[in-house]
Amino acid sequence: KNEVEQSPQNLTAQEGEFITINCSYSVGISALHWLQQHPGGGIVSLFMLSSGKKKHGRLIATINIQEKHSSLHITASHPRDSAVYICAVANYGGSQGNLIFGKGTKLSVKP
Amino acid sequence: EAQVTQNPRYLITVTGKKLTVTCSQNMNHEYMSWYRQDPGLGLRQIYYSMNVEVTDKGDVPEGYKVSRKEKRNFPLILESPSPNQTSLYFCASSPLTSLVNTQYFGPGTRLTVL
Repeated sequence: KNEVEQSPQNLTAQEGEFITINCSYSVGISALHWLQQHPGGGIVSLFMLSSGKKKHGRLIATINIQEKHSSLHITASHPRDSAVYICAVANYGGSQGNLIFGKGTKLSVKP
Repeated sequence: EAQVTQNPRYLITVTGKKLTVTCSQNMNHEYMSWYRQDPGLGLRQIYYSMNVEVTDKGDVPEGYKVSRKEKRNFPLILESPSPNQTSLYFCASSPLTSLVNTQYFGPGTRLTVL
């Protein structure tokens, strides 16, 4: 079983829809990251969370440490949001510098 | 401009021919890391460095070497590349000796080993 599981693997939405991407993990963590990988391949860090909730523009990320679960929400989705969204956890129980990644969620937003 | 640079961006080579992929950051970050990305497997960590002269293995270190002689540079060395090292490689850096900070990624290096 993978230590970081994302769902869904693929997601197609219509412009304007509310989108949720989920990330579950099985290890103790010190932080969780949400990353966005553009169709051209570049990776951008969206959020780093260790508790609670963060918001940036139309993006909201939440984490529930007890349930070992995080969600990334996109409100009023737009075609430019089409990308792969990747969850990664910093493993508290392992080496301090070690990051473990989910396999990503490919989002396509249709106009 | 704050950035992480990687060179080369694209490389086609042959089995056994030593190569180095350079990574440099201009943000005075302590932490640097190398990842590879493969279809169906996602991103996996190769090596990371918490500071100068401090390096440690990630999840897939076999066949790779790194060094951290200066804070800004973290080269990835493949001494005898093999076809299973064909992949997309990313370097990243982050401030402080902790992962509770945003990571900054380089643009990626697409490596093909024939």
